[in-house]
Amino acid sequence: NAGVMQNPRHLVRRRGQEARLRCSPMKGHSHVYWYRQLPEEGLKFMVYLQKENIIDESGMPKERFSAEFPKEGPSILRIQQVVRGDSAAYFCASSPSRRNTEAFFGQGTRLTVV
Amino acid sequence: KQEVTQIPAALSVPEGENLVLNCSFTDSAIYNLQWFRQDPGKGLTSLLLIQSSQREQTSGRLNASLDKSSGRSTLYIAASQPGDSATYLCAVIDSSNTGKLIFGQGTTLQVKP
Repeated sequence: NAGVMQNPRHLVRRRGQEARLRCSPMKGHSHVYWYRQLPEEGLKFMVYLQKENIIDESGMPKERFSAEFPKEGPSILRIQQVVRGDSAAYFCASSPSRRNTEAFFGQGTRLTVV
Repeated sequence: KQEVTQIPAALSVPEGENLVLNCSFTDSAIYNLQWFRQDPGKGLTSLLLIQSSQREQTSGRLNASLDKSSGRSTLYIAASQPGDSATYLCAVIDSSNTGKLIFGQGTTLQVKP
């Protein structure tokens, strides 16, 4: 059973470009969470999705950021018109249910905006 | 609003020492608490999960305790080794119905040979 797979591991984008980060949850997990780790800061929740539904996006910036988890395929975190402040490590976690279960994390995507 | 604090922020010990990392949270209404390890430039590895009804969990040289009423958890590492050097993160699932984790800032541990 493969773990949570994120790709790419490293992504470099110029200011104004789009960044697409992908996350494939563990087999059997239908709950996906995205977190962001800014330099010298802790991990912050961004968005929680179940298949085809956004459940909680309270941690997502209101503009330029969007997320989806289609019926088929990985979850996608999309950042439009990236700015230098978006440079961070983005982590995806999956779990089989919402609460009393262990969360498993991917290796992260390190986004650098130049 | 739930807040998680970890102290100390950094810790350096000689190999072989037993040590304790501390985690506190402001709202005792949590579903569970999870300890993670993060190596530089890497992802998070889950170490221990404590359900809200449990007092402690053990895995090898690691023991985590939970005192919900006082809003505290400790991670005890016995006989530390240089390979234990990493950042240790504490996170809680709060009382919202979404299962999102709220993280502390972490304790960066260095174990010197």
